[in-house]
Amino acid sequence: AQSVAQPEDQVNVAEGNPLTVKCTYSVSGNPYLFWYVQYPNRGLQFLLKYITGDNLVKGSYGFEAEFNKSQTSFHLKKPSALVSDSALYFCARLSNSGYALNFGKGTSLLVT
Amino acid sequence: DAGVIQSPRHEVTEMGQEVTLRCKPISGHNSLFWYRQTMMRGLELLIYFNNNVPIDDSGMPEDRFSAKMPNASFSTLKIQPSEPRDSAVYFCASSAGLAGVWEQFFGPGTRLTVL
Repeated sequence: AQSVAQPEDQVNVAEGNPLTVKCTYSVSGNPYLFWYVQYPNRGLQFLLKYITGDNLVKGSYGFEAEFNKSQTSFHLKKPSALVSDSALYFCARLSNSGYALNFGKGTSLLVT
Repeated sequence: DAGVIQSPRHEVTEMGQEVTLRCKPISGHNSLFWYRQTMMRGLELLIYFNNNVPIDDSGMPEDRFSAKMPNASFSTLKIQPSEPRDSAVYFCASSAGLAGVWEQFFGPGTRLTVL
């Protein structure tokens, strides 16, 4: 199946420190990968996506993600975390259907 | 643009009652998705419409669930009769095309509680 896994339920980071939210994907075909963020009582917001090309993808709000084929990972990163980055982060992969996104369970990021 | 609009934002109902959730996608978007979010199962795709036509309803849990899209600017998700296990946050999302190219824009969600 075209799935993703987020191994951490929660990540805690001090403000100003770099943050990483992990995502791995199942080895099958060429993955189209996405990161979304969900703030409390809000819908998901698109951050960035990897389709093809440069392995380092830059997105909204200073976030970036690195596609690593050998490790089948697509970790979300930010050089300096802000308290306002505290939210729920979802990694997703496009399914074989070409329209459905398979979401990970989500990782709660807490920046203090 | 106001983004994807959903109503109501919160719905509390009693078991057995009919519930109708509403969605207005972003103007010009031709793809519409209904998702359900629960703690146990995470985010699940319920149904996908393209150009107002249901393409994939394999995620609809039971016959109690039905969805319609009578025109490009309106969709409904109906549960009849509702059950406590239907309690969840229901999201509507739209995109300008296939998800591989175009990102999905999510509405704020409807938090449904069935007592």
